[in-house]
Amino acid sequence: GQNIDQPTEMTATEGAIVQINCTYQTSGFNGLFWYQQHAGEAPTFLSYNVLDGLEEKGRFSSFLSRSKGYSYLLLKELQMKDSASYLCAVADNTNAGKSTFGDGTTLTVKP
Amino acid sequence: SAVISQKPSRDICQRGTSLTIQCQVDSQVTMMFWYRQQPGQSLTLIATANQGSEATYESGFVIDKFPISRPNLTFSTLTVSNMSPEDSSIYLCSVEGSTNTGELFFGEGSRLTVL
Repeated sequence: GQNIDQPTEMTATEGAIVQINCTYQTSGFNGLFWYQQHAGEAPTFLSYNVLDGLEEKGRFSSFLSRSKGYSYLLLKELQMKDSASYLCAVADNTNAGKSTFGDGTTLTVKP
Repeated sequence: SAVISQKPSRDICQRGTSLTIQCQVDSQVTMMFWYRQQPGQSLTLIATANQGSEATYESGFVIDKFPISRPNLTFSTLTVSNMSPEDSSIYLCSVEGSTNTGELFFGEGSRLTVL
């Protein structure tokens, strides 16, 4: 079966660093995606990991450990506009369109 | 990146009626994906629409309830048939990006409310 777990909600302060964790148990693995979704909008792609390690892209970084079935999204220098839902998704075969999504973590950034 | 246009953006529907959602992509793509996002929940894949063949449905979704058309490489429709309040949801069309990562690009979504 497919199971992806991430915290439901997190709160952080503007300028701080926050780490959003994701654990997964899937029948196959062909990469892990993080998406950002602002309220009332469509998800937008943030990052992709297929090998173990850290991928850095500006203020956002994503880490993967395949042996542990674990990933995290790290957001640095938080801004108010980072308040959104962050979705962890696992591509369980070569077709990314068949990704299994977690329920998302709603991040609230406070001044 | 891909630009995806969906319509309607939102609609209020009566129980028992059907509604067709349209999805237009600005480039030719092999597969288009239809997702559902129920209130407060994450995305669930309904089906994969392939041009020239029948759509492939995920467990729990059937063609009679969610018929899909894919007449060409840039367009698809999803019909939500015989709607009930449980079908109130956001329906999202998506395609894979052209990079090696294969990330998904989503349309703006169609928010349906069934009374």
